[in-house]
Amino acid sequence: GNSVTQMEGPVTLSEEAFLTINCTYTATGYPSLFWYVQYPGEGLQLLLKATKADDKGSNKGFEATYRKETTSFHLEKGSVQVSDSAVYFCALSVRGGTSYGKLTFGQGTILTVHP
Amino acid sequence: NAGVTQTPKFQVLKTGQSMTLQCAQDMNHEYMSWYRQDPGMGLRLIHYSVGAGITDQGEVPNGYNVSRSTTEDFPLRLLSAAPSQTSVYFCASSTQGSGNTIYFGEGSWLTVV
Repeated sequence: GNSVTQMEGPVTLSEEAFLTINCTYTATGYPSLFWYVQYPGEGLQLLLKATKADDKGSNKGFEATYRKETTSFHLEKGSVQVSDSAVYFCALSVRGGTSYGKLTFGQGTILTVHP
Repeated sequence: NAGVTQTPKFQVLKTGQSMTLQCAQDMNHEYMSWYRQDPGMGLRLIHYSVGAGITDQGEVPNGYNVSRSTTEDFPLRLLSAAPSQTSVYFCASSTQGSGNTIYFGEGSWLTVV
């Protein structure tokens, strides 16, 4: 089956620190990979995505590269801000039949950034 | 842009009561789904639909019913609420294609006492 494993949280950083949130996956098909973000009291928003190996997704200073050889999609940001405090979810979707439109999520990583 | 709209946003139920969480999307998406979010477990798929009249079970379907009579609407029914169904519920929609963005509603916070 499909599964996503994220690094254990919570993660606490000072403003301007470097962020890495690890994500690895297993998939029966050829997946697309996503990072979603959930700000306090809100729903999920797509942060970035990558649909094939070696693709790099990027948005709002965040980046993640689809590494097929290591089955990973780690999220990075060079300098975090207090406003980045949120829960981050790694997720995958595989192609084919009734798999379209379904996401398999990791457990989420809580990020808190202090001034 | 309305996108995916869920109602209600907050609800408290007593054990054994029934209720329906409403979900509507205005993007003409074929695929709609319901997830529940529990601490430390990410989001888990409850039910899924690939089009009007077609639904299927996800990872955690027990205690929930769905129907899809129109492309726009995908309500989730709790027939007899249990404390284990206390959770945050998200509705989502998308078009075909695994790389396509899946859009989420703002969530419904449900407490069963």
